[in-house]
Amino acid sequence: KQEVTQIPAALSVPEGENLVLNCSFTDSAIYNLQWFRQDPGKGLTSLLLIQSSQREQTSGRLNASLDKSSGRSTLYIAASQPGDSATYLCAVRVGSGNTPLVFGKGTRLSVIA
Amino acid sequence: DTEVTQTPKHLVMGMTNKKSLKCEQHMGHRAMYWYKQKAKKPPELMFVYSYEKLSINESVPSRFSPECPNSSLLNLHLHALQPEDSALYLCASSQDVSGGWTYNEQFFGPGTRLTVL
Repeated sequence: KQEVTQIPAALSVPEGENLVLNCSFTDSAIYNLQWFRQDPGKGLTSLLLIQSSQREQTSGRLNASLDKSSGRSTLYIAASQPGDSATYLCAVRVGSGNTPLVFGKGTRLSVIA
Repeated sequence: DTEVTQTPKHLVMGMTNKKSLKCEQHMGHRAMYWYKQKAKKPPELMFVYSYEKLSINESVPSRFSPECPNSSLLNLHLHALQPEDSALYLCASSQDVSGGWTYNEQFFGPGTRLTVL
């Protein structure tokens, strides 16, 4: 059974710092991996999706990497801002079509001005 | 249009009430999902519809009844809920193409905050 772990559970950094959020998964046979952002009481916003054959994806100040063989992904946030404060969730899909996403428990990020 | 909309935003209901949650997308996606999320927990999958047919039911109690009247709409009918069913209910959609190279990024709606008294 696929399990997804995110470390740390919570992180507090000063504004301007570069930071890395970690995601690990137990079964390397994934189809893709998706990073989401969730603000308190709100829905999930998709940040980046990496297909299993890709090594990284970039969007603005965000860069997500994938090392399928070691079961790891990282989300790099450059020059953090207070508006980046949110919970970041990592989720993997284990097959094509409409197979479910398996979520990690998230990392709660606070960026202090 | 990359938006999934959900109504209502908030819902308070008694244990004897019948209510419905509504979800809509106009991205041409053929897979739609209901998730339940409790505070400080990740979303838990409830149901998946593929091409308007129920394809996954994650052993959800029968007091939750999903319906997919067409490819753009997904409903969740609620009846005789319990206080522990209070949660954020999230709808999502993704492109669902069988075979070949698929790009199944899931797009989520803002959720309905449900409180059962």
